[in-house]
Order: sequence, then C-alpha cells, then structure tokens
Amino acid sequence: QVTLRESGPALVKPTQTLTLTCTFSGFSLSTSAMCVTWIRQPPGRALEWLALIDWEDDKFYSTSLKTRLTISKDTSKNQVVLTMTNMDPVDTATYYCARQVGATGGVDSWGQGTLVTVSS
Amino acid sequence: SYELTQPLSVSVALGQTARITCGGNNIGSKNVHWYQQRPGQAPVLVIYEDSNRPSGIPERFSGSNSGNTATLTINRAQAGDEADYYCQVWDSRTEVFGGGTKLTVL
Repeated sequence: QVTLRESGPALVKPTQTLTLTCTFSGFSLSTSAMCVTWIRQPPGRALEWLALIDWEDDKFYSTSLKTRLTISKDTSKNQVVLTMTNMDPVDTATYYCARQVGATGGVDSWGQGTLVTVSS
Repeated sequence: SYELTQPLSVSVALGQTARITCGGNNIGSKNVHWYQQRPGQAPVLVIYEDSNRPSGIPERFSGSNSGNTATLTINRAQAGDEADYYCQVWDSRTEVFGGGTKLTVL
C-alpha cells in the first residue's frame, strides 16, 4: 500500500523560506520510473504543479516558480523535501505530495495535503 | 507555455451522461490524465493515459483524446460523482493542469 504524508509549518511569514517534507512508504524512489511530485491548491482555486523528482534524481520545476523552488530526495529515508523561498501571502495553499509513475504518467497516489498560510 | 482549457461547470441530470472536455493544442498527441476532487479531499486519479481506469474506478468513467480535445465521460451519473474534475498532461518538462470543472448532478 502506497502512502504519502506531508509535514512542515502551518504558518510562515512573508519573505521566509518554506520547507516541506514528504515521507512515503510502499515504494522506493530508487526503483525505475518512480517519481514524487508536489502540487498545491490555493483555497477555492485550481491545482497548480510545482516540482517533480524522479528515480534518477532528475528534477523538474514549474516555469513560473523555478527560481524559488528546490526539490531533493533522501532515498534511504523515503523522503522528498521541497523548499520555496521568499514566501508571499499568495502562496497560501494546501500543498500535496504525490507519487507518479514516469514523468508522463498519472499521479496515482496523493498525500492528504498540508495547509500552509503565509501571514505576518 | 502549454495551456489546458476546461469549462468552469457542467451539469447533468441524475442517471444521465456527463461529458467534461479539456482543450489543448494537439492534445491528442499527449497522454491525458483525469482527477476527481471532492470537497475537502485530495484528488483521485480516475483516468490515466487518455482512457485507462485505475483499479477501483467504476466502469462508468471513461476517457477519449483526439485532435485538440480530450473528454472525460461519466455514464449514469450519481450524486456521489458531484466534484471538481481536472485534466493534466506532461509538456516540455512540466506538468500542466487544467483549470478544473465543477460537475453538478441535478
């Protein structure tokens, strides 16, 4: 059974850096075609893709946010970390980590999401 | 950057067929995935690679993709199908989501 869980601060101040950790089980990021992706959703709005890391440690980023994002993995701990710099109130959203099989595959397992509020 | 266009809302009578479209330039050449998101819940994959159903997804859900339009079809719509639906593709090293469609079952 594949499970993913996001962890990190619920509240960050403007200009701070957000660090989110995705801890997963039921698969390994050293297995061919396995990927972990981050997606966010502002309240009442659509899904927005942020970043993806694959089993070969290739990293892909949203064009509009790539200067602020860094994704990394610790295969031994079954964790993926996403950092986002210079947080702004418009970054308030539920942040999801999820598994994807192949970069072109569907996102077949999602975490429950974690709400991050950006406010002073 | 690649864009996916979905209608904001679709309504369907109980027991009838709902069709939700996803428009994109030559989307027929890409793999399209569809997600269902009920209020307060994480999205769920309902169709992958245009027309495949993950295990546990009812046969009432189907997908097609050709030309500039992909379509999610829900046969015999039920009250439990009321949700937001998103299409998604991979393009030029990025994932792209449509803006989402709210399905209302009347």
